[in-house]
Amino acid sequence: RKEVEQDPGPFNVPEGATVAFNCTYSNSASQSFFWYRQDCRKEPKLLMSVYSSGNEDGRFTAQLNRASQYISLLIRDSKLSDSATYLCVVNPRDDKIIFGKGTRLHILP
Amino acid sequence: ETGVTQTPRHLVMGMTNKKSLKCEQHLGHNAMYWYKQSAKKPLELMFVYNFKEQTENNSVPSRFSPECPNSSHLFLHLHTLQPEDSALYLCASSQASWGLAGAVAKNIQYFGAGTRLSVL
Repeated sequence: RKEVEQDPGPFNVPEGATVAFNCTYSNSASQSFFWYRQDCRKEPKLLMSVYSSGNEDGRFTAQLNRASQYISLLIRDSKLSDSATYLCVVNPRDDKIIFGKGTRLHILP
Repeated sequence: ETGVTQTPRHLVMGMTNKKSLKCEQHLGHNAMYWYKQSAKKPLELMFVYNFKEQTENNSVPSRFSPECPNSSHLFLHLHTLQPEDSALYLCASSQASWGLAGAVAKNIQYFGAGTRLSVL
């Protein structure tokens, strides 16, 4: 199993729909998890941290499933501006950070 | 504006050239990173500096030479690159602290806009 694995997509989703994607990780001792967003030809930017209890920020909900070793990102009422690549980031130990390849999301008008 | 500035934004160089990429952060962080992002590949961590000390070198070829003169500045010196080194080079910074095993970087990273490098 790869250290961090994401479905590359693309996910083509109509505006207003709900979309969810997962990211699996191999190291059960991983400590921290994040979702970053990267627009085309731009730098990655932190979207949200992922907490054990799950967390929500507006239309975005992130969840962690330690038993199955994956994190998820749910986007409700998707907007055209949500089109981007979503990067899963896992911190398997204090001094190591691993980025997934990203999942491309296209919101269709 | 993330507080991390990279220059130049674009660079075209021949295989025999020597050039340097510069990164400056205005966030008061003390950990800085170089990443390489090639087309259709995940971000690859190249180097990590915590408190100005290099703590990670992910088997990067010696034609890439990092320099961290202080906690706000990071350079990547390039020489005799290959065409396959063409990529987006991203700098990031984060806050670090001292753990039992030494410097430990907190993992929320702030990225610069990157330098798009083309090697001819």
